Amino acid sequence: DARVTQTPRHKVTEMGQEVTMRCQPILGHNTVFWYRQTMMQGLELLAYFRNRAPLDDSGMPKDRFSAEMPDATLATLKIQPSEPRDSAVYFCASRPGASYEQYFGPGTRLTVT
Amino acid sequence: GENVEQHPSTLSVQEGDSAVIKCTYSDSASNYFPWYKQELGKRPQLIIDIRSNVGEKKDQRIAVTLNKTAKHFSLHITETQPEDSAVYFCAASGGGGADGLTFGKGTHLIIQP
Repeated sequence: DARVTQTPRHKVTEMGQEVTMRCQPILGHNTVFWYRQTMMQGLELLAYFRNRAPLDDSGMPKDRFSAEMPDATLATLKIQPSEPRDSAVYFCASRPGASYEQYFGPGTRLTVT
Repeated sequence: GENVEQHPSTLSVQEGDSAVIKCTYSDSASNYFPWYKQELGKRPQLIIDIRSNVGEKKDQRIAVTLNKTAKHFSLHITETQPEDSAVYFCAASGGGGADGLTFGKGTHLIIQP
């Protein structure tokens, strides 16, 4: 049963530090999404890639967030510098090219103190 | 952009009864409407979805209906069981060719024994 994997699962860091979250999509899935979940805002789309090319990052604060896909098996989301308001669960999801269904990873719970 | 409204925010039903959760969307170009179930501390899991060319879809105790004219869709769970207790999210995508999901705020479904 193939699944999206994410590392780390939990991260506690101090304000101002750099945070990097990683995602391994399901093999063969060519579209990768990053979402953020908070109690106040719910689930929000941050960015997504198709065939490693960024298609939409309008949901991402541009000054501190960056997302990349160095290769087809790895997507990264970086925050620099981190702020307390970035505390959230960050989910990666992937989708095969011929389908609409998105499959979520277990998430990275980020706490910025 | 797309806006998805979801009601109610909390729903308590007796075990064995039916539960209905409703969502409305704003972008008439949206063409894909999934429902996700999320248990505490876990990833959102796709439970059923519907495309805009279909009015209804059923999978055992779960069904989804879509009214494109009114721009609303609903999740129906029959013969509810304790394991149905979770937060349920509706979502929409596809407007303007966008693949990212816009989520509702979620419904906390409580099954009373």
